[in-house]
Amino acid sequence: GAVVSQHPSRVICKSGTSVKIECRSLDFQATTMFWYRQFPKQSLMLMATSNEGSKATYEQGVEKDKFLINHASLTLSTLTVTSAHPEDSSFYICSASRQGGYQPQHFGDGTRLSIL
Amino acid sequence: KQEVTQIPAALSVPEGENLVLNCSFTDSAIYNLQWFRQDPGKGLTSLLLIQSSQREQTSGRLNASLDKSSGRSTLYIAASQPGDSATYLCAVRSGNTDKLIFGTGTRLQVFP
Repeated sequence: GAVVSQHPSRVICKSGTSVKIECRSLDFQATTMFWYRQFPKQSLMLMATSNEGSKATYEQGVEKDKFLINHASLTLSTLTVTSAHPEDSSFYICSASRQGGYQPQHFGDGTRLSIL
Repeated sequence: KQEVTQIPAALSVPEGENLVLNCSFTDSAIYNLQWFRQDPGKGLTSLLLIQSSQREQTSGRLNASLDKSSGRSTLYIAASQPGDSATYLCAVRSGNTDKLIFGTGTRLQVFP
């Protein structure tokens, strides 16, 4: 199997707080991890692609200083929402894929972030 | 720029009906197309993956077809059940990237 664990599943915090979300591949080495954002009743929008040991590649319109991504090991990537505000409230989903051309992405269960 | 659209946006059917969900994409240069299921507040479960060279894939009551030249894919669900209620997303991977571009989704409700 290819299991991806995302933590926490839900977080509620005050405006101005920085929030860290973890994405772990439990039974495989993930050379590439992807972070998506999903607004209510909308589709997934890719935010950034991270490769182990290198800087993340952000999609157009995504603030890299706002959404810090670290992929320091082959099993862990983190997304930190810095100085979060209510407009950052959303559902964040990560996925991970193995090394090699065109490997399928395996998705975590998502994190519901609510900023008060 | 690849754009993926799904029709209908929402669908409500009685149990037992066969139904078809549609997905269209603007750039036919895709590597593969994938159908996912998403339950409320949850992540994605992969249902079927069709490579660009394939015409269809089947898994149980699900059948997905791909017509790359016309930029279309359909997901056929036979004998629908209340447990099939979820949002169904299609996603395409372009030929020169490992990114997935997702469609807008179809929210399906199957009532007893």
